Amino acid sequence: NAGVTQTPKFQVLKTGQSMTLQCAQDMNHNSMYWYRQDPGMGLRLIYYSASEGTTDKGEVPNGYNVSRLNKREFSLRLESAAPSQTSVYFCASRELAGGRNIFYNEQFFGPGTRLTVL
Amino acid sequence: QQQVKQSPQSLIVQKGGISIINCAYENTAFDYFPWYQQFPGKGPALLIAIRPDVSEKKEGRFTISFNKSAKQFSLHIMDSQPGDSATYFCAARPRLTSGTYKYIFGTGTRLKVLA
Repeated sequence: NAGVTQTPKFQVLKTGQSMTLQCAQDMNHNSMYWYRQDPGMGLRLIYYSASEGTTDKGEVPNGYNVSRLNKREFSLRLESAAPSQTSVYFCASRELAGGRNIFYNEQFFGPGTRLTVL
Repeated sequence: QQQVKQSPQSLIVQKGGISIINCAYENTAFDYFPWYQQFPGKGPALLIAIRPDVSEKKEGRFTISFNKSAKQFSLHIMDSQPGDSATYFCAARPRLTSGTYKYIFGTGTRLKVLA
């Protein structure tokens, strides 16, 4: 099992350019998340998907869009990148509540994408 | 806005010492409090977690102490080792009302254990 994979690992964009960050999980999890991590800010939720076909805004959704392509894949799109979107982006997945491990519902994180917008 | 406040921002401990990281929350509707460990260049990984009906949870050298009345919880790393050097995040999870769980993260503590 690869767990949660993210591509690319690094990316440099110019202001106004667009790009899509890809995320895939092979654990058959229902829920998937996109976070951004900035120094001194911790991890902030951008968007999440409770299950295939559904997406919802998190704490900082402005400037981003997402697609839950299927149960495995959850992509994050920057339509017009801005320097304020320079960050490390993490994708995560977990089982939906009510899964076999109800208490210890663990989020599994990918290795991250380091994005710089010039 | 729900918040989880974490301190200190950074911590330096001698090998064999005790590392203590504190978190405080405001929302009483949280029902799960995990701690994540993150090494440079890697994603966070679950270290240990506790529910609010328990005052302490211990796993090896790692212990969570939970004070429900004070709305505080802390991570204690006993016999700290250089391999524990990492960034630690506390988090809190609100009770599920619809959709799926969303986690609120602290701002992180960068721990360095000196050999």
